[in-house]
Amino acid sequence: SYVLTQPPSVSVAPGQTARITCGGNNIGSKSVHWYQQKPGQAPVLVVYDDSDRPSGIPERFSGSNSGNTATLTISRVEAGDEADYYCQVWDSSSDHRGVFGTGTKVTVL
Amino acid sequence: QVQLQESGPGLVKPSETLSLTCAVSGYSISSGYYWGWIRQPPGKGLEWIGSIYHSGSTYYNPSLKSRVTISVDTSKNQFSLKLSSVTAADTAVYYCARWRSGIAVDWGQGTLVTVSS
Repeated sequence: SYVLTQPPSVSVAPGQTARITCGGNNIGSKSVHWYQQKPGQAPVLVVYDDSDRPSGIPERFSGSNSGNTATLTISRVEAGDEADYYCQVWDSSSDHRGVFGTGTKVTVL
Repeated sequence: QVQLQESGPGLVKPSETLSLTCAVSGYSISSGYYWGWIRQPPGKGLEWIGSIYHSGSTYYNPSLKSRVTISVDTSKNQFSLKLSSVTAADTAVYYCARWRSGIAVDWGQGTLVTVSS
């Protein structure tokens, strides 16, 4: 089965840049999507298809994907960005299934 | 705007079947897209359970496939999840979601299901 690995936590000062990685075998060949989840709330899509943003998501959220690593970048971090972030792919290599990453807690110092 | 709302028992006994329904408003399920379920054990990450197309074709997480059934009722514009032989490990917040091209674009608010006697 396909596995997506994220660092458990990332800490960043307000105004700085947070980078969250998502590792997977040849993940660069897949479309990667990112979700933000705040405590007690359902996840919200913040980046899809590696680097596109849904309407209403600030330009501060961006994504990239190459080789074995996808990255979500949050620029000019704000206190409201503190949340859990999950990467996700749809794996069609053997059977069709959704796969989520292990999740990263972003703490704003 | 599409809205999804989960409903069902919040407490299920071990070995019994967990049953949840997701009511969809603002979009007709029969018009297309995949619809599915995701769960999150307390304090843990997200796990995809399975998805169904409006026509009824399904995909299930291999780790749960033997216990999971997802069905759709287009007349009521809703879809359902059944998970059999539950244990404490199935205690989680269960989310329903609309999927487009492998992306969970819309989510319900989630419902906590506890497995306990």
